[in-house]
Amino acid sequence: EAGVTQSPTHLIKTRGQQATLRCSPISGHTSVYWYQQALGLGLQFLLWYDEGEERNRGNFPPRFSGRQFPNYSSELNVNALELEDSALYLCASRRRGTGGNEQYFGPGTRLTVT
Amino acid sequence: DAKTTQPPSMDCAEGRAANLPCNHSTISGNEYVYWYRQIHSQGPQYIIHGLKNNETNEMASLIITEDRKSSTLILPHATLRDTAVYYCIVRVVETSGSRLTFGEGTQLTVNP
Repeated sequence: EAGVTQSPTHLIKTRGQQATLRCSPISGHTSVYWYQQALGLGLQFLLWYDEGEERNRGNFPPRFSGRQFPNYSSELNVNALELEDSALYLCASRRRGTGGNEQYFGPGTRLTVT
Repeated sequence: DAKTTQPPSMDCAEGRAANLPCNHSTISGNEYVYWYRQIHSQGPQYIIHGLKNNETNEMASLIITEDRKSSTLILPHATLRDTAVYYCIVRVVETSGSRLTFGEGTQLTVNP
């Protein structure tokens, strides 16, 4: 079974630009979660999508947005990039219908804003 | 979610058992204890979870005290590849599932 995949592995942008990060969940998983891990900080919850809808979002400004496609893959968009957005962005997926909290994480996208 | 307390760091010799403690004195009756780990610069990895009974899988064992106020994750034969930050998370099991809240975790260093 293939794991969660994320692309690109690394992304370098300049301040003010937009970044788009992509995530493909494990087959059969319908929920996708996005987390941010800035250097020296813990994992911060960003967004949760399930069945194509945004279910919850963390304490991040509206310039962080995303969507989930019919095939359950997901996209995270960050507009008007700021230097502080430099971080590892992690995507996780969860199996359909499970009540548990076992989330399976991808390798992450390292975003660097210069 | 109940708050958890973990030591910031621990060391363990390769081949020995690593015992990682977690305090969750405010845990509610319907909250489970989950453990994840994050190897440097990789995504977190689910390890194990339990409610009140001890649990074991191919990766680790989870021992939960009878009063459920604390738990211990045991890696029976630690290897160098087990060096990682280990997170203890207390969560209600919901039918819909939601975010995970990661604390500071414990940096486990396995030494040769």
